[in-house]
Amino acid sequence: DAGITQSPRYKITETGRQVTLMCHQTWSHSYMFWYRQDLGHGLRLIYYSAAADITDKGEVPDGYVVSRSKTENFPLTLESATRSQTSVYFCASSGSGASYEQYFGPGTRLTVT
Amino acid sequence: QKEVEQNSGPLSVPEGAIASLNCTYSDRGSQSFFWYRQYSGKSPELIMFIYSNGDKEDGRFTAQLNKASQYVSLLIRDSQPSDSATYLCAAHSGYSTLTFGKGTMLLVSP
Repeated sequence: DAGITQSPRYKITETGRQVTLMCHQTWSHSYMFWYRQDLGHGLRLIYYSAAADITDKGEVPDGYVVSRSKTENFPLTLESATRSQTSVYFCASSGSGASYEQYFGPGTRLTVT
Repeated sequence: QKEVEQNSGPLSVPEGAIASLNCTYSDRGSQSFFWYRQYSGKSPELIMFIYSNGDKEDGRFTAQLNKASQYVSLLIRDSQPSDSATYLCAAHSGYSTLTFGKGTMLLVSP
């Protein structure tokens, strides 16, 4: 029972490169979310998706692109990485029930040099 | 802007004591509230959620909600060193999204 997985777990890239972070869940949850977590800022929502082919911006979407062609996958792409995007990225998912609780993946630590 | 406020801590308690973690929220429309535990270098783990005024108990954990005061708390009874972590409070903020506080660090000393 894998639940929700993220890959890679660690990534070092250079400024200007494109990077894609992967998220996969096995619960058939409708909702999926991408957050970044930085000291002093806590968890901030980047993008979320209510279902396949339905995505919406969160609090800090600039510089990021998402897609969701399949319910179970929700990749996050940094089109041209910047040093300010150095962070820990968490993917989360939630069912379509009324309780709204979210379950988090293990995270990806991204460093942009 | 919807906000969730928490004291950053650290909150230090001795082993066996009750730890009390507090949270306030700005959006009166929020209906559901969540407590997550996050160990250093790990992802947030859901402890419990509450959506009715009053108390909700689960083992050593009790969540308390007061919608009139826009206040949520988490009590941890018989605190253990393994409870040392950062505790995140979150409020449902619409369209199935949550707004998170920055977290309170809890240190339980043996």
